[in-house]
Amino acid sequence: SQKIEQNSEALNIQEGKTATLTCNYTNYSPAYLQWYRQDPGRGPVFLLLIRENEKEKRKERLKVTFDTTLKQSLFHITASQPADSATYLCALLSNTGNQFYFGTGTSLTVIP
Amino acid sequence: EPEVTQTPSHQVTQMGQEVILRCVPISNHLYFYWYRQILGQKVEFLVSFYNNEISEKSEIFDDQFSVERPDGSNFTLKIRSTKLEDSAMYFCASSVDRTGAEAFFGQGTRLTVV
Repeated sequence: SQKIEQNSEALNIQEGKTATLTCNYTNYSPAYLQWYRQDPGRGPVFLLLIRENEKEKRKERLKVTFDTTLKQSLFHITASQPADSATYLCALLSNTGNQFYFGTGTSLTVIP
Repeated sequence: EPEVTQTPSHQVTQMGQEVILRCVPISNHLYFYWYRQILGQKVEFLVSFYNNEISEKSEIFDDQFSVERPDGSNFTLKIRSTKLEDSAMYFCASSVDRTGAEAFFGQGTRLTVV
């Protein structure tokens, strides 16, 4: 069965630095990969989607890469701010297209 | 900005009781989902729904669970006889398209079974 792993430990960085979060997957070749943000007690909020034929996608201070050979996606937040502190989830579209498999998430704290 | 709304935000129920969690997806969306998240764990897929029928369901979605779209706006999840292990945050989501489109999630219903 498919397996999705994200940075297992919480990530703490200084304000202004670039945060890099990792999503690795095995036993699977998703057509799409998405990144979501989740705040405590709230639902996931969509951030970015990247397709298997795309290497990189950007949106404002966010950048996502997708390496289907390494089976890995990297999520970058540049010029990080304390307001970026949250848990970030990667989600992979299933082969049926009917569901997303979510990773366990990485908790990011941006220190002022 | 359109959003998915869920009610109630918090439900406490006794073990063995039936609960209905309600969701109003975004109006032009065609695909609907229920996910759940046990405290401290990952978001888990329960069921997807399209064209008034279940598209896919997970192993979690056993005979105790059912979904319905009783009218043009509501999408409900029913748990017939709740168990302690059903305690979780339940999220409804909708998307305009199945294939890779972003899913919009509601704020969730926290279900506590006592």
